Amino acid sequence: GENVEQHPSTLSVQEGDSAVIKCTYSDSASNYFPWYKQELGKGPQLIIDIRSNVGEKKDQRIAVTLNKTAKHFSLHITETQPEDSAVYFCAATSGTYKYIFGTGTRLKVLA
Amino acid sequence: GAVVSQHPSRVICKSGTSVKIECRSLDFQATTMFWYRQFPKQSLMLMATSNEGSKATYEQGVEKDKFLINHASLTLSTLTVTSAHPEDSSFYICSVGTSGASTDTQYFGPGTRLTVL
Repeated sequence: GENVEQHPSTLSVQEGDSAVIKCTYSDSASNYFPWYKQELGKGPQLIIDIRSNVGEKKDQRIAVTLNKTAKHFSLHITETQPEDSAVYFCAATSGTYKYIFGTGTRLKVLA
Repeated sequence: GAVVSQHPSRVICKSGTSVKIECRSLDFQATTMFWYRQFPKQSLMLMATSNEGSKATYEQGVEKDKFLINHASLTLSTLTVTSAHPEDSSFYICSVGTSGASTDTQYFGPGTRLTVL
């Protein structure tokens, strides 16, 4: 069945360093790839997304890249801050609203 | 994006009782809402897709008679956990589906922590 693999499951970085989280999807029909940040005890918050007709998108310290041929997409956070510490989820959908979520990455930014 | 609220934020109930969770879309008329369940340190699991004015579509393995969903208006969907048991204890999150010029973005509520004693 369709699935999304996400790596790493945990990631610790020093404040100011960059963090990269990678996801690989299986459904070649997937055309929309959102990233969510979830803080403890809260709902997921959309932080950035990308569509299949774009290779890269950036929003301040956050960027997402997409490689359709390899079926993988990555989240890049630069100049990390302690408040970036959270669990990050990637997702993929083929436009039917049904999201396939990754397993999540627990990011810890060390001050 | 759409602003989504949930009520209550947390609820504790006794085994065998029913609990209703509300999901409201505050600034967007949502024809489609989603209900997810999330166990500790796990990903989100879609339970059902709620469509305004029609029956919800449940995912495989989710009991529709146990998890009753009502989407009576464009701003409100409710999830009722009937005859709750300890294994139903979880974090329940709703989301609103927005569609525009080829967008399929979901905006999530803050979640409801259910504890069944």
